[in-house]
Amino acid sequence: AQKITQTQPGMFVQEKEAVTLDCTYDTSDPSYGLFWYKQPSSGEMIFLIYQGSYDQQNATEGRYSLNFQKARKSANLVISASQLGDSAMYFCAMRVLTGANSKLTFGKGITLSVRP
Amino acid sequence: DAGITQSPRHKVTETGTPVTLRCHQTENHRYMYWYRQDPGHGLRLIHYSYGVKDTDKGEVSDGYSVSRSKTEDFLLTLESATSSQTSVYFCAISASRGNYNEQFFGPGTRLTVL
Repeated sequence: AQKITQTQPGMFVQEKEAVTLDCTYDTSDPSYGLFWYKQPSSGEMIFLIYQGSYDQQNATEGRYSLNFQKARKSANLVISASQLGDSAMYFCAMRVLTGANSKLTFGKGITLSVRP
Repeated sequence: DAGITQSPRHKVTETGTPVTLRCHQTENHRYMYWYRQDPGHGLRLIHYSYGVKDTDKGEVSDGYSVSRSKTEDFLLTLESATSSQTSVYFCAISASRGNYNEQFFGPGTRLTVL
């Protein structure tokens, strides 16, 4: 079974500073993918970034980067130059890639508040 | 935007009544999913479908059934709603993004069971 752990309490960051949101995962399968989603107060789920277990480099998407440490089973999201619009709930999720199904296992989420 | 709509967007119902939520997609995706979101639990998979009439259970399937008679529609039914099923329900599809599959989510349905 797969498990995602997000244990940080609500996070606060000053506008324009960088922030790291923690995510650890557990799986015995060697082939998996890790995702981060953002959920603003309006409720929609927005995909941010993906990291495959065999990817050699850490994923980056604009101001988002993923600090992937495979041996430690961690996939932390780094947001650079925080903006007020980054205030939201952030979810880490994982999918095992063997087999045909592509269901995601989610963590419980982290609330990020960006201060002006 | 993966062309996913959910209906209704909001519903209030009473304990013991049947409820059906509809997820509609316009892009012929094979995989569809129903999740529920509750505070402190993130999103949890209820049921999923890997084709017309092909469905399977997720981690919180008790009290729910699903049907998929057409590629574009995935229905979630609460046969007899309970207060514990008050939640926000998200439908999702899986679509290829080159070397991985991404899940796109619908806007959600807020269900309140009194």
